[in-house]
Amino acid sequence: GAVVSQHPSWVICKSGTSVKIECRSLDFQATTMFWYRQFPKQSLMLMATSNEGSKATYEQGVEKDKFLINHASLTLSTLTVTSAHPEDSSFYICSVLSSGSPDTQYFGPGTRLTVL
Amino acid sequence: AQKVTQAQTEISVVEKEDVTLDCVYETRDTTYYLFWYKQPPSGELVFLIRRNSFDEQNEISGRYSWNFQKSTSSFNFTITASQVVDSAVYFCALRQVNDYKLSFGAGTTVTVRA
Repeated sequence: GAVVSQHPSWVICKSGTSVKIECRSLDFQATTMFWYRQFPKQSLMLMATSNEGSKATYEQGVEKDKFLINHASLTLSTLTVTSAHPEDSSFYICSVLSSGSPDTQYFGPGTRLTVL
Repeated sequence: AQKVTQAQTEISVVEKEDVTLDCVYETRDTTYYLFWYKQPPSGELVFLIRRNSFDEQNEISGRYSWNFQKSTSSFNFTITASQVVDSAVYFCALRQVNDYKLSFGAGTTVTVRA
């Protein structure tokens, strides 16, 4: 069964609005989660590392004020795209490090965001 | 700095043919992990294999096999007797032992025609 879930699976919003994406670890507690972005026909690009109980670590070039990450519990991390614009339209994927097998990341099904 | 190169953008085969996906990597680390993931049209990445840099044994899992050659910094993936369900984008990835961040290759789109 699924190890990681994401909600919603797809969302369409108007430019200027904010969108929240949830990532849940279903089978184990996760102190670390990752958020990736994937543009059409491109590879996954790491946006940030989400750590439970502390601030997220953002990759170079990713605006932390635009992509707000909250990792409030050991099973939930959220990514909020604030004041979304059409160029933010993308496939957002989270992944979870298994506490039992930390060498492997398990990925969520992704959330497709379309900003009109 | 780390880099993963998947030179093949797209591969199209007829069902039952074998297909080999190339992966070449660059890293300054002496120990590291290599991965292959499958991304079917649904979008969800499926973990296929993890390989430690100090273990150069080749591995076979059903119709899948992997050839790791540290001397040439390659970690190639072969699907034997391909099936339509194998159609997907396949990503090779690399990470340091002490850093969980993954560096992905560009991906290879495999299309298996009936």
